Amino acid sequence: GESVGLHLPTLSVQEGDNSIINCAYSNSASDYFIWYKQESGKGPQFIIDIRSNMDKRQGQRVTVLLNKTVKHLSLQIAATQPGDSAVYFCAETIQGAQKLVFGQGTRLTINP
Amino acid sequence: DAGITQSPRHKVTETGTPVTLRCHQTENHRYMYWYRQDPGHGLRLIHYSYGVKDTDKGEVSDGYSVSRSKTEDFLLTLESATSSQTSVYFCAIQGVSTGELFFGEGSRLTVL
Repeated sequence: GESVGLHLPTLSVQEGDNSIINCAYSNSASDYFIWYKQESGKGPQFIIDIRSNMDKRQGQRVTVLLNKTVKHLSLQIAATQPGDSAVYFCAETIQGAQKLVFGQGTRLTINP
Repeated sequence: DAGITQSPRHKVTETGTPVTLRCHQTENHRYMYWYRQDPGHGLRLIHYSYGVKDTDKGEVSDGYSVSRSKTEDFLLTLESATSSQTSVYFCAIQGVSTGELFFGEGSRLTVL
């Protein structure tokens, strides 16, 4: 695919299991965070976001947790499906700064 | 579909030649971005625009220039391509009410 690199952290899970993807962000002043999913040959797609005044946000099958104390973000995917196989990126920004900074990504592989 | 079209999707060129990548949006969004994606580096911001004729540099702007003569088009130019500019280039637009970015499908550039 066009997007994936050879040196990404990789997470393999069984279909139907839950997966947790972690991200350490860099700027303690960041106040808005986004998780993106990138499938092979495609651009990143928005999954879920969270603002710094929250520590948890849920979407459909996905939950994002934010721990500002240790600058840590996680994405939980419930009951993983083959279509969840992709590279997942976290991104951070300061609202109003208009610049998103991306992490390097994690490759999630779903085993049948 | 965020209404973003990148062209060309694939290009092979030789060192020293000029290259222009085009990003076209149909959403009338103010903010547009050019990122490059490389193994081990994730997505890095090259340049962005906050309006017609208003642009600013990102973290990896050396060797690149941009132009935005109308709202819908954001052009990325490599005046004299080098092998280090071999990459996948993504254009993005920013949501009006949120900070999330919507990405195009990417343009793979190979500089020989």
